[in-house]
Amino acid sequence: GENVEQHPSTLSVQEGDSAVIKCTYSDSASNYFPWYKQELGKRPQLIIDIRSNVGEKKDQRIAVTLNKTAKHFSLHITETQPEDSAVYFCAASIGGTYKYIFGTGTRLKVLA
Amino acid sequence: SAVISQKPSRDICQRGTSLTIQCQVDSQVTMMFWYRQQPGQSLTLIATANQGSEATYESGFVIDKFPISRPNLTFSTLTVSNMSPEDSSIYLCSVGTGVNNGYTFGSGTRLTVV
Repeated sequence: GENVEQHPSTLSVQEGDSAVIKCTYSDSASNYFPWYKQELGKRPQLIIDIRSNVGEKKDQRIAVTLNKTAKHFSLHITETQPEDSAVYFCAASIGGTYKYIFGTGTRLKVLA
Repeated sequence: SAVISQKPSRDICQRGTSLTIQCQVDSQVTMMFWYRQQPGQSLTLIATANQGSEATYESGFVIDKFPISRPNLTFSTLTVSNMSPEDSSIYLCSVGTGVNNGYTFGSGTRLTVV
């Protein structure tokens, strides 16, 4: 069945450094890839997304890249701040449907 | 984006009982879903709540255990039936307004079964 792998499971960076989280997916028909941030005890919130017809998207300090050939996509956070500390989930659409399969999550710690 | 009210926020229940979780959206939405998130784990789709018809369940989830209602485009309920400690988890509703527009999640219901 469809699968999304996410690495690393935990990531610690110094404040001001960059963080990169990587995901791979198995369904070649996936065409939408959202990223969610979940702070402790709170709901997941959509922070950025990318569609299959785009290779890169940027929103201030956050960027996402997509390599459809290799079936992987990545989240890049630059100039990290303590408030970036959270669990980040990648997801991929199941084919062209509205259903997503989520990665296993990355716990990001930004050390002040 | 849609504003979602999910109730209750948490509950402690006795095994063998049932709990109904409500999800109210401030606008009509095309898609509503129910997810489960076990402590420290990822999000697993339970089912798609279909307005006016039976929900569509994912592998490993059945209607008898997780009956879902969706009487209109702004409201849905998920019932966790005949609960056991293994059902202890966070249950989240989510809504989408179109394919490839991302979901908005409710605040979640933290369920503990004792």
